[in-house]
Amino acid sequence: GNSVTQMEGPVTLSEEAFLTINCTYTATGYPSLFWYVQYPGEGLQLLLKATKADDKGSNKGFEATYRKETTSFHLEKGSVQVSDSAVYFCALSDSGRAGSYQLTFGKGTKLSVIP
Amino acid sequence: NAGVTQTPKFRVLKTGQSMTLLCAQDMNHEYMYWYRQDPGMGLRLIHYSVGEGTTAKGEVPDGYNVSRLKKQNFLLGLESAAPSQTSVYFCASSGGVHLSNQPQHFGDGTRLSIL
Repeated sequence: GNSVTQMEGPVTLSEEAFLTINCTYTATGYPSLFWYVQYPGEGLQLLLKATKADDKGSNKGFEATYRKETTSFHLEKGSVQVSDSAVYFCALSDSGRAGSYQLTFGKGTKLSVIP
Repeated sequence: NAGVTQTPKFRVLKTGQSMTLLCAQDMNHEYMYWYRQDPGMGLRLIHYSVGEGTTAKGEVPDGYNVSRLKKQNFLLGLESAAPSQTSVYFCASSGGVHLSNQPQHFGDGTRLSIL
């Protein structure tokens, strides 16, 4: 079956530090990959996505590249801000049973950025 | 833009009571999903629907029932609540031409406590 493994947190960084959150996956076929962000008390929001090998997703200064050879989709940001404090989820989507396009999530990584 | 709306936002139940969580989406999406989020577990799929009048089991369906009588609504029911069902519940929807790479849109969640 499909699975997503992401680095466990919590991660605490100072403002303007470099961020990497590792994500690796196991899947049959050719999944699409996503990063979602969850701010306190809110639902998940799509941060970025990549749909095929070597695609780079980017948004709000965050980037992640779909690496098929290493089955990875690491999230990076060059300079984090306090407002980036949130929980980040890596996820994959494939057609699943009956074309359900279910998402398989990692367990989430909590990021805290301190001034 | 409403997107995905969940009601109620909070609820406390006693063991054995029943309740229904309502999810409504205004994006004309075909696919709808119910997840539960527990600390350290990420999001786990309870049930999903690939269209009006259809439902299917996800990863953790026991103790829950769902109905999709109208395309825009997806109801999650607990017939006899148990403390193990204390969780935050998220509804999501997705749609579009290329479903495999379409993101899911999430509601803000329902925080449910079973005493």
